[in-house]
Amino acid sequence: DAKTTQPPSMDCAEGRAANLPCNHSTISGNEYVYWYRQIHSQGPQYIIHGLKNNETNEMASLIITEDRKSSTLILPHATLRDTAVYYCIAPGYSSASKIIFGSGTRLSIRP
Amino acid sequence: DTAVSQTPKYLVTQMGNDKSIKCEQNLGHDTMYWYKQDSKKFLKIMFSYNNKELIINETVPNRFSPKSPDKAHLNLHINSLELGDSAVYFCASSQGSLNTEAFFGQGTRLTVV
Repeated sequence: DAKTTQPPSMDCAEGRAANLPCNHSTISGNEYVYWYRQIHSQGPQYIIHGLKNNETNEMASLIITEDRKSSTLILPHATLRDTAVYYCIAPGYSSASKIIFGSGTRLSIRP
Repeated sequence: DTAVSQTPKYLVTQMGNDKSIKCEQNLGHDTMYWYKQDSKKFLKIMFSYNNKELIINETVPNRFSPKSPDKAHLNLHINSLELGDSAVYFCASSQGSLNTEAFFGQGTRLTVV
């Protein structure tokens, strides 16, 4: 499992794009990058994942650098409900792979 | 329908008691997990089962015993509860254990007094 590094906290104005960075310089060629978030007192929620190409879904976009050593999660129009802890995870690709949560980035959306 | 459901949502019990937390998923997934989130908010994996077989056991004390009667259920039994067991326990499931997203339950807040 690749180690990931994220800033401990960020804030963003409501309605603006929130860009959350993640470094995963030890990631191997077959390891995906996953993003989850945990809104206060709830279970973690899957957001998006990718391998090499940029990905977009109804929640967010994921931009992965060409060397795959870092990625950015983009919430295009942040709302107050996006206030949460965001986790970047590279769980590995073996049968014993596991989703290991680091300390994540606490994103605060200000009105 | 809730995809991953845990019962109970809250559990308050005395030290030394034995308690169980139940988890059920209706997603048809093969793999289920238990996580513990302590007061410092770190989420730690405890166990993972794939098709009722234990595949991950993260050096959890023997007092914790997961049981998977079928692949839709993964229950957690805890013997001789200690104060340090107080935490929020999350169950999760995924389709396979390789590179698939996991779905989490709403958590069970266990308080040992």
